[in-house]
Amino acid sequence: QVQLVQSGAEVKKPGASVKVSCKASGYTFTSYGISWVRQAPGQGLEWMGWISAYNGNTNYAQKLQGRVTMTTDTSTSTAYMELRSLRSDDTAVYYCARVGTRAQRWVFDYWGQGTLVTVSS
Amino acid sequence: DIQMTQSPSSLSASVGDRVTITCRASQSISSYLNWYQQKPGKAPKLLIYAASSLQSGVPSRFSGSGSGTDFTLTISSLQPEDFATYYCQQSYSTFMYTFGQGTKLEIK
Repeated sequence: QVQLVQSGAEVKKPGASVKVSCKASGYTFTSYGISWVRQAPGQGLEWMGWISAYNGNTNYAQKLQGRVTMTTDTSTSTAYMELRSLRSDDTAVYYCARVGTRAQRWVFDYWGQGTLVTVSS
Repeated sequence: DIQMTQSPSSLSASVGDRVTITCRASQSISSYLNWYQQKPGKAPKLLIYAASSLQSGVPSRFSGSGSGTDFTLTISSLQPEDFATYYCQQSYSTFMYTFGQGTKLEIK
């Protein structure tokens, strides 16, 4: 069965960086993309970006350009999301999601369990 | 960028009610529209894709409709487990998948 297992909660100081991992299993990792989505406390879902696990191509949300980097390690079927220059408003639960297809439409069909990143001095 | 706007932001209803949530795109997205359900402390779950197709395992009381810029999610007869937050998402823009702001469905 498809599973995405994320790394544990992090507490960071403003200005620091965080790197969250997402280990995939149960499918051919390089056949699908991975997107990252975050959710601030009590807020909605914010799409952060996408990475192709096949060739490493990326596309980031404009508001995060320059601060976020998404990578993959195909040898371990793991995706990573690094966010730099952290601010208090980056405090959120960060999710990875597999980007699959249904009826030739992109969907987020499997999700990780979420990783809480807290930014506090 | 394509903006997605949901209404209402919150909704109170009773078990057995029929409810409808609306999602509007800032430009035409054909039928590239997905709906997700999220319960507190859990990851979102795919409900509907391509505007009106039910994801496997999702009860038939859920349905979606629309095309172009206006879409709806309907729950025909609310069950206790349906009280959650619902999000629409466009997948029209290649590799850019924006969400609506969410609709919280609460028990009246």
